Amino acid sequence: DGGITQSPKYLFRKEGQNVTLSCEQNLNHDAMYWYRQDPGQGLRLIYYSQIVNDFQKGDIAEGYSVSREKKESFPLTVTSAQKNPTAFYLCASSSPGGARTYEQYFGPGTRLTVT
Amino acid sequence: DQQVKQNSPSLSVQEGRISILNCDYTNSMFDYFLWYKKYPAEGPTFLISISSIKDKNEDGRFTVFLNKSAKHLSLHIVPSQPGDSAVYFCAASDPPNAGGTSYGKLTFGQGTILTVHP
Repeated sequence: DGGITQSPKYLFRKEGQNVTLSCEQNLNHDAMYWYRQDPGQGLRLIYYSQIVNDFQKGDIAEGYSVSREKKESFPLTVTSAQKNPTAFYLCASSSPGGARTYEQYFGPGTRLTVT
Repeated sequence: DQQVKQNSPSLSVQEGRISILNCDYTNSMFDYFLWYKKYPAEGPTFLISISSIKDKNEDGRFTVFLNKSAKHLSLHIVPSQPGDSAVYFCAASDPPNAGGTSYGKLTFGQGTILTVHP
């Protein structure tokens, strides 16, 4: 089945440690996105990538880094510089063409807790 | 500055009745709008969308209305079912670049928790 996988589902880290969240898609989509969800704030865009080896900052990129070495993969690193890293992180992808250009498909999310 | 707002954090409806979820936006450049449904600890799933050239789009029990002059859209669910209980997000998209090399970024509202009582 085609889809987006995020692993792990739950992740716990100590403050000061970097942590990398995995996102893989087999939908052959060109564009991939990272969001975080906090209670009462909806989804906020962290980074996005339209093609391999290219990515842009979203609205809240500070303290995060990404890479896009393969079309299928878009890992997100939460660095120790991120002030409030505890959140629910969502990865998404989309593909060009027709009316569905805007529609983004989401993975199941990773709940990161930093103590 | 919140460009997409869902001012009702929650909505409670009786099974079989209509659910109306509202969304307002401020950026007149948005040209495509989407509604997503999300269950706890899961990713959002696409529900329905509407282009700015239309004022209504229907898909089964779900209808989205767009009022461009008021910068307002709404999602109607008729009849509401207990399985519709979830968080609903509206999202708006910037148009892709004219060269077609950029995809529309989505800006999401805060979400509305819909509870449908049996």
